[in-house]
Amino acid sequence: AQTVTQSQPEMSVQEAETVTLSCTYDTSESDYYLFWYKQPPSRQMILVIRQEAYKQQNATENRFSVNFQKAAKSFSLKISDSQLGDAAMYFCAYRSFQGAQKLVFGQGTRLTINP
Amino acid sequence: DTAVSQTPKYLVTQMGNDKSIKCEQNLGHDTMYWYKQDSKKFLKIMFSYNNKELIINETVPNRFSPKSPDKAHLNLHINSLELGDSAVYFCASSRDSWTGELFFGEGSRLTVL
Repeated sequence: AQTVTQSQPEMSVQEAETVTLSCTYDTSESDYYLFWYKQPPSRQMILVIRQEAYKQQNATENRFSVNFQKAAKSFSLKISDSQLGDAAMYFCAYRSFQGAQKLVFGQGTRLTINP
Repeated sequence: DTAVSQTPKYLVTQMGNDKSIKCEQNLGHDTMYWYKQDSKKFLKIMFSYNNKELIINETVPNRFSPKSPDKAHLNLHINSLELGDSAVYFCASSRDSWTGELFFGEGSRLTVL
């Protein structure tokens, strides 16, 4: 079974600075999706960014970018120019391409933005 | 319009009661899910339906019974509620059962006293 590990329970960053959240995963498959979701205090789960494993190019969405290292099974999220609204729980998630598959989540990283 | 909507958003009830949470999606997706988020924020799949057919059933007590009357709706009924059932329950949908991201509802916080 696939597992996702986020080794940083909490992170903090100064407003306008850059922060990187770590994620590693374990799988024997070659094709899969990886995602970062954000959960602010409002509780809503919001998709931040997605990456297909067959794509070598790292995904970017405005201030959010990933460093996808397939061989190392690593999928970190970089947030540039951090804003107060970025404060949230961030979850890394894995989804297989094969068959009916669920989204498997990491334990989450709580990100605090210091003004 | 909310893409994935759940009701109620908050539910407080006594042990032993039966309760239901409803979910509807207007995205035209084929697949819907129930996830449970515990007090440590860990999210775990409970069930998944594809076009009204159950396709994922994790090791969930049989007090939990999902029902999908059509592909836009997935309800969760819980019998004989226990203290450990207190959690936030998220409904989600995806275009199909094998591709892409999940779109989540706002969650339903269940508190069992």
